[in-house]
Amino acid sequence: ETGVTQSPTHLIKTRGQQVTLRCSSQSGHNTVSWYQQALGQGPQFIFQYYREEENGRGNFPPRFSGLQFPNYSSELNVNALELDDSALYLCASSLEFSGAPRLNYGYTFGSGTRLTVV
Amino acid sequence: AQKITQTQPGMFVQEKEAVTLDCTYDTSDPSYGLFWYKQPSSGEMIFLIYQGSYDQQNATEGRYSLNFQKARKSANLVISASQLGDSAMYFCAMREPFSSGSARQLTFGSGTQLTVLP
Repeated sequence: ETGVTQSPTHLIKTRGQQVTLRCSSQSGHNTVSWYQQALGQGPQFIFQYYREEENGRGNFPPRFSGLQFPNYSSELNVNALELDDSALYLCASSLEFSGAPRLNYGYTFGSGTRLTVV
Repeated sequence: AQKITQTQPGMFVQEKEAVTLDCTYDTSDPSYGLFWYKQPSSGEMIFLIYQGSYDQQNATEGRYSLNFQKARKSANLVISASQLGDSAMYFCAMREPFSSGSARQLTFGSGTQLTVLP
């Protein structure tokens, strides 16, 4: 089985620009979560997509948006980039079932996209 | 309020010795899950071990074990027989049930950088 693939691996953007990050979920997984990890910190939850809809959101502004496609892959879009958006963006896929949240289901993380905003 | 606290920014251990990485957590929900992840310099989050709040025994996975002290709200990771390849960042994380409004996210601590010395 293939793992989680993220692209690109590195990206440099200018403040005010827009960026799209991509994630291919692990085979058999139906849910994708995105996390932002600033240098020297733990990852922060951005949002989660399940069945092509946003299924929960962390404390991030609306200029952070996403999509999930029928094949369960996902995109993270960030508009009006700010310097503080510079971080490692991690995608994690998992298999979830509606109405029966399990606590111990495993996430598979990708290696991340390192975004630098200048 | 910080839900996961890792008080050791950095730790050193001699190869082949055991090391304990500390983690304390805060939740009012009786049902929760605790995870430990390893993050090498490549960026990928690697799942190590899981402990459910209702699990009667401490979790073990190979050289990894979790010292779960529920009353103290601590979930320390013990790595036995350290290897050079264990050098990485280690994160403790918690998931609470969806019903608590936490949207099935993982909440991470700030991490501990472990360095194994030859």
